[in-house]
Amino acid sequence: QVQLQESGPGLVKPSQTLSLTCTVSGGSISSGDYYWSWIRQPPGKGLEWIGYIYYSGSTYYNPSLKSRVTISVDTSKNQFSLKLSSVTAADTAVYYCARVPVMITFGGVIVHDAFDIWGQGTMVTVSS
Amino acid sequence: DIQLTQSPSFLSASVGDRVTITCRASQGISSYLAWYQQKPGKAPKLLIYAASTLQSGVPSRFSGSGSGTEFTLTISSLQPEDFATYYCQQLNSYAFTFGPGTKVDIK
Repeated sequence: QVQLQESGPGLVKPSQTLSLTCTVSGGSISSGDYYWSWIRQPPGKGLEWIGYIYYSGSTYYNPSLKSRVTISVDTSKNQFSLKLSSVTAADTAVYYCARVPVMITFGGVIVHDAFDIWGQGTMVTVSS
Repeated sequence: DIQLTQSPSFLSASVGDRVTITCRASQGISSYLAWYQQKPGKAPKLLIYAASTLQSGVPSRFSGSGSGTEFTLTISSLQPEDFATYYCQQLNSYAFTFGPGTKVDIK
C-alpha cells in the first residue's frame, strides 16, 4: 500500500525559503504511471494546487506561484521536494503531497482523473 | 484559470437525509472532475473521479454525475461519519483548481 509522508521545518522566517520533502513508501516514484504533486491549505481556507513533477524531472507549476516554486525529484531516495522562496505570512498553510495517476488519450495527450493518495500534511508557519 | 463554485457553501442535515452538492465550472471541463471529503485535521480523501466513478473502498451511498460545466455529488443516506467538508476539483487544465468547499454539518 503506497503511503506519502511530508517532512520539513514547521517554522520559516519571512523572506526565506520554505523546503519540504515527501517520501513515498510502498511503491516506486520512478513508476511512469504517476505524477507527484504538492498542494497547500491555509488555516480555515480551501485547497490550492502548487505544482507537480514526473519521475523524469518534468514539472508544471501553478502560474500564481511559478516565480517562487521549485519542485524536484530524487528517485534514489524515492522522494520529491518543494522549495518556495521569498515566503510571507500568506504562505502559512498545511502543505500536502499527493499522487496523481497518469492516463494517455488516443491522441497521446497526458490527462489526469484525480489526486488519489495524499500525505497527512505538514503545517508550516511563516513568522519571525 | 478555470474557476469552480460550489453550492451550498454550508449545509445542515440529519442522519438518513439525502444530500446533494453542486459544483459549477467557469468553462467546460468534460468529465475531468473529482470530489474529495475532508475531515478536520485530516488530508482530503478521494471519493469520486471522472465525475461519476466511485473510488475503490468508498461506500456506494456516494455518487457523482454531470459533465461540461455542472456536476453534482449525492449522498443517498447521510451517515454520522459523512459530516465533513466536500471539495470538487477540475483536472481539465492547469492549475487543477479546487472549489471553495461545502461543509456538511449535523442538524
